[in-house]
Amino acid sequence: KNEVEQSPQNLTAQEGEFITINCSYSVGISALHWLQQHPGGGIVSLFMLSSGKKKHGRLIATINIQEKHSSLHITASHPRDSAVYICAGSGGSNYKLTFGKGTLLTVNP
Amino acid sequence: NAGVTQTPKFQVLKTGQSMTLQCAQDMNHNSMYWYRQDPGMGLRLIYYSASEGTTDKGEVPNGYNVSRLNKREFSLRLESAAPSQTSVYFCASSALDRVGELFFGEGSRLTVL
Repeated sequence: KNEVEQSPQNLTAQEGEFITINCSYSVGISALHWLQQHPGGGIVSLFMLSSGKKKHGRLIATINIQEKHSSLHITASHPRDSAVYICAGSGGSNYKLTFGKGTLLTVNP
Repeated sequence: NAGVTQTPKFQVLKTGQSMTLQCAQDMNHNSMYWYRQDPGMGLRLIYYSASEGTTDKGEVPNGYNVSRLNKREFSLRLESAAPSQTSVYFCASSALDRVGELFFGEGSRLTVL
């Protein structure tokens, strides 16, 4: 069974800090997804990666296949980054994602 | 662009009542999904449709039925609602060539009394 574990569950930071959220996954997962859920509830896909690193603005996602570990980094964090960040793994059947429980990030001004 | 639209956004039901959540996407995506999100748990897949005319069970299908009416629309029906089905429901879609990059609706908050 595919499993995805995120840490930490909750994270509070001051504006401007560098943020790291971690995700570990089990054998059988070949691609890792990062999503963002804002307080209003909407969910947006940020990244999908199976190797290396991807960057979009102040967000960077990395994956280490050997260690089965992925990280989401936010540089120069801002209060508008406050959200729940979710990692999810896919593998085998591409139609099914296994979701982590999410990391609640609060960035204070 | 509307993206993924789901209705209703809020609904309160009594135990035993039935209802249908509607979902439509305008991105010409092949795959569509219904998830539920409960406190302390990750999103869980209820049903999915890999393409028009096909549907398959996900992790938690009991108590639900789905219909892929056409390529755009994928509905979720609760035939006899139970308090355990109180949840936030999300519809999502993805293109066949980018399977896994999901586009989500805004969510439907359902309370069953």
